[in-house]
Amino acid sequence: EPEVTQTPSHQVTQMGQEVILRCVPISNHLYFYWYRQILGQKVEFLVSFYNNEISEKSEIFDDQFSVERPDGSNFTLKIRSTKLEDSAMYFCASRVKLARPGEQYFGPGTRLTVT
Amino acid sequence: AQSVTQLDSQVPVFEEAPVELRCNYSSSVSVYLFWYVQYPNQGLQLLLKYLSGSTLVKGINGFEAEFNKSQTSFHLRKPSVHISDTAEYFCAVSGSWGKLQFGAGTQVVVTP
Repeated sequence: EPEVTQTPSHQVTQMGQEVILRCVPISNHLYFYWYRQILGQKVEFLVSFYNNEISEKSEIFDDQFSVERPDGSNFTLKIRSTKLEDSAMYFCASRVKLARPGEQYFGPGTRLTVT
Repeated sequence: AQSVTQLDSQVPVFEEAPVELRCNYSSSVSVYLFWYVQYPNQGLQLLLKYLSGSTLVKGINGFEAEFNKSQTSFHLRKPSVHISDTAEYFCAVSGSWGKLQFGAGTQVVVTP
């Protein structure tokens, strides 16, 4: 069964450093999402991406964040200058199409630890 | 704007007992509702979804949920839980572009 994959599973970085979290969505999916979950808190929407552009973003997704689909298979989330409060589990998700709402398929997540 | 409220942060339950997890939503437009499960150290897995039609929705692992428009609720139930059902359960509502708005989660702890 096809699945969403994410790398790395755990990333440790120092405050102020740039990080790139990678995702490979399911191949025939067209809509891509990033969510995050700070430890002990709920899952929060960050951004949705369709047709090579951001379709919606949350207040969390400020200028420090960017997304890209560089090569038709990967979907990346970049944090330019990490802060301590960026420590969280980051989930990528993908979806077939919008016309009939269906479930999103989530990856296993990347745990980001900012020290 | 859409939002989801999960009324219980933790639900302890004995094995083979029934469980109900409560979820209320608010939305100004038609809603699509979902329950996801997160096992320890894993990602989110879809349990079931309500898109339209029958208000009683059956999902995987013996779970079901009932959509109640008048009470704006989407409670999740299972008649008999197993130890393996120990997990965190998230109710979610779908917004524009398919964005999911999650509740705070309910931790289910099943004990023998």
